[in-house]
Amino acid sequence: EVQLVESGGGLVQPGGSLRLSCAASGFSFSTHWMHWVRQAPGKGLEWVSRINIDGGSPTYADSVKGRFTISRDNAKNMLYLQMNSLRVEDTAVYSCARGVLRAGGSCEIWGQGTLVTVSS
Amino acid sequence: DIVMTQSPLSLPVTPGEPASMSCRSSQSLLHTNGNNYLDWYLQKPGQSPQLLIFLGSTRASGVPDRFSGSGSGTDFTLKISRVEAEDVGVYYCMQSIQIPQTFGQGTKLEIK
Repeated sequence: EVQLVESGGGLVQPGGSLRLSCAASGFSFSTHWMHWVRQAPGKGLEWVSRINIDGGSPTYADSVKGRFTISRDNAKNMLYLQMNSLRVEDTAVYSCARGVLRAGGSCEIWGQGTLVTVSS
Repeated sequence: DIVMTQSPLSLPVTPGEPASMSCRSSQSLLHTNGNNYLDWYLQKPGQSPQLLIFLGSTRASGVPDRFSGSGSGTDFTLKISRVEAEDVGVYYCMQSIQIPQTFGQGTKLEIK
């Protein structure tokens, strides 16, 4: 079964850091682009970041550029999101998603998400 | 950034009837390779989003054929030929031709 499972969310103070993880299983992880997408409570979807198959060319939303870093470990089938200098407005459910093989920018498989709450 | 604008924001539909929603982009999503980098997603209540359509008109695996996507450039449409109760939720379009990838604000489909 194809599966993505996020972990690492929680409550953090403004200015703090968190590292999210996404464990992939049931497919060839190293052949797919991967994404992070977030959804603030009661709001719409916001694309956060994506990374290509070998970890090169990471890209980011303007709202997180310079604060968040996406990475992957193909040997461990793991995707990560290092989040620094967190702000209240970063509060959201963060989901990882797998890119379509022939259209890597499209998110075809999604995890259930992990909640990040930034509050003092 | 490319701005994605969806309409209507709310779409009440009677089961068995067709439904149609629109997505417009502030810049063309048509690549020189001939592909339109436009996706449609459905987020059912309490669930993660699911991909319905990618590259403007290609149905994702397992998506019923009552869903169809069309359009090119800056104007796109998602059509449901016969709405079923399980189709309720929020429909989002997203562009991936340019970084940052951007979503529309969503169209909420509800059953009359």
